[in-house]
Amino acid sequence: AQTVTQSQPEMSVQEAETVTLSCTYDTSESDYYLFWYKQPPSRQMILVIRQEAYKQQNATENRFSVNFQKAAKSFSLKISDSQLGDAAMYFCAYRSVRYSKSTFGDGTTLTVKP
Amino acid sequence: DTGVSQNPRHKITKRGQNVTFRCDPISEHNRLYWYRQTLGQGPEFLTYFQNEAQLEKSRLLSDRFSAERPKGSFSTLEIQRTEQGDSAMYLCASSSGRATNMNTEAFFGQGTRLTVV
Repeated sequence: AQTVTQSQPEMSVQEAETVTLSCTYDTSESDYYLFWYKQPPSRQMILVIRQEAYKQQNATENRFSVNFQKAAKSFSLKISDSQLGDAAMYFCAYRSVRYSKSTFGDGTTLTVKP
Repeated sequence: DTGVSQNPRHKITKRGQNVTFRCDPISEHNRLYWYRQTLGQGPEFLTYFQNEAQLEKSRLLSDRFSAERPKGSFSTLEIQRTEQGDSAMYLCASSSGRATNMNTEAFFGQGTRLTVV
């Protein structure tokens, strides 16, 4: 079974600074997808960024980018120029190509200080 | 279509009562998922539908839990004889699952928060 570990329960960053959230996973599969989701307080979860395991190039979406290290099974999220609206819980998720369900980590609560 | 809709948003029930939640997915999505999220943890998979067929169920889904998706549209999740341990946020998500877009992400609803007293 796949597992996803987020070792940082809480992180904080100063507005306009850069922060990196860590995620590691365990799988025996070679093809899969990885996701970062954002869940603001009392609001629904939304996708921030996704990475296909077969792609060597790291995904980027505006201020959000990932560092995908397949051999190390590591998938970190970098948020540049942090904004107050980035404050939320961030979840790393793994999804097999073969199966549709996702496995989530326990999340990292990000605080952005003005 | 404004996304995945879940009702009710909040439900307080007494232990032993039955509850039912509803999820309306994005209209063109044929895949629907139920997850459970407790405080301080990530969502845990409960069950998955492709159209009206329930293709996978987690071991977390005890006999007291049942889910349906008649006609492949909305879905219901029923919990019978609720227990305090059932208190959680129940999340519904949907995705396209089209063969040409198999890596499409799941879109989540706002969830139903269940409190069993």
